[in-house]
This record gives sequence, structure tokens and C-alpha cells, in this order.
Amino acid sequence: IAGITQAPTSQILAAGRRMTLRCTQDMRHNAMYWYRQDLGLGLRLIHYSNTAGTTGKGEVPDGYSVSRANTDDFPLTLASAVPSQTSVYFCASSDSATSGGELFFGEGSRLTVL
Amino acid sequence: GQNIDQPTEMTATEGAIVQINCTYQTSGFNGLFWYQQHAGEAPTFLSYNVLDGLEEKGRFSSFLSRSKGYSYLLLKELQMKDSASYLCAVMDSNYQLIWGAGTKLIIKP
Repeated sequence: IAGITQAPTSQILAAGRRMTLRCTQDMRHNAMYWYRQDLGLGLRLIHYSNTAGTTGKGEVPDGYSVSRANTDDFPLTLASAVPSQTSVYFCASSDSATSGGELFFGEGSRLTVL
Repeated sequence: GQNIDQPTEMTATEGAIVQINCTYQTSGFNGLFWYQQHAGEAPTFLSYNVLDGLEEKGRFSSFLSRSKGYSYLLLKELQMKDSASYLCAVMDSNYQLIWGAGTKLIIKP
């Protein structure tokens, strides 16, 4: 099934632990994004990648890192999780970063940091 | 700063029409998007406006006025399945999407 796959779907994590959220797309989209969604707030961009091999910081990048070794994969790593990183994380992709093309979202990863 | 404003919650009746407003102040403008998000699910694309005017797509229409920094999403013949959050997002001059907090639409029979 074409689209974006995120893993895990949900995770409970102890503070201080390292965690990687995985994201894979099979649409050959150039641009990929990581957002977090918190109650009462809009989606906030963490990191993005306009094309394989490049990444950029979004609105809330602190405490997170990403890599884009190939077109399909865009993992998000929390080096040392803190409770404020409790959120729902969405990975998304689009054909081009500068077009009006729609974003396709994964189903989300619900992360709880205790 | 950049800001997207939309009502937090709206209630409407099945079969009726509802208009969800969105006002924005951003650094530049490269288009406005509307997404639908059902509870516990991912957002899905509804519409894109880059020029002033009305874009119609079935029961859903989206309007844009760039001079007023204003858009609305119009939903006609409301169905129970339209109960969801509706997210307004503007692409700024750096091609970054700025998102509103979303409008939760409750449909009553």
C-alpha cells in the first residue's frame, strides 16, 4: 500500500532514554517533514528535508535530530528524552517543498515520556 | 510574528451548512491549505488556494482573500462523518507551512 509508514504507533519512554521514530515513504517524494502535535496548538515543524542528503531545522528542533540518507527514510531521534517531548509525532512528505502539492501524513506516533 | 487564527470549536446540525473562518498574518504568502483531521488520525488534504476567489470541490468549498488575510472553508449538506478538526495552514515566503490550532467541528443529528 503506497503511503507513509511510521513506527512505533505508540511508546512509553523513561526520561533520559534515547528513542528513534521511524518513517518510510514509497511515493518517491523529495520533501519530508517531522511535526509534533500538542493539544491546543497547531502542528509544529521539528525538522525537514527538501531532498535526500539535506536536512533543515524547523520551529522546534531542540532535543531532536534527523537524517536523510536516502529518498524513502527519514528517522527522528530523541537523544535524551524529556517529559516535554510527550506528544503525537507525525511524519509527512510532499512531492516538492516549494509547490502547492499536498502533504501526505503518516498515522502518527504517540510518545509518552515519564 | 506569524499567526493563524481559527475558532477553537463549532457546532452544526446534520444537513446544514457551516463556514469555518481562518485569518492569517505571515511573512509572505505562497498558498493556503485546509486539512481535515478525524480524532486519533492523521490530517488529510482538503484544498489549496493561492489566488483570490472560491475553489469548489464537491460539498466542500474554500475561499481566499489575500488582501484581507482571510480564508474560509464551507461545508454543505453536513454529514455525521464530517465531525472532525479542520486545520488551516499558510505557506510563507520560505515555503514553510504555518499551522492554525484547528477548529473542532461537532455535528449534531
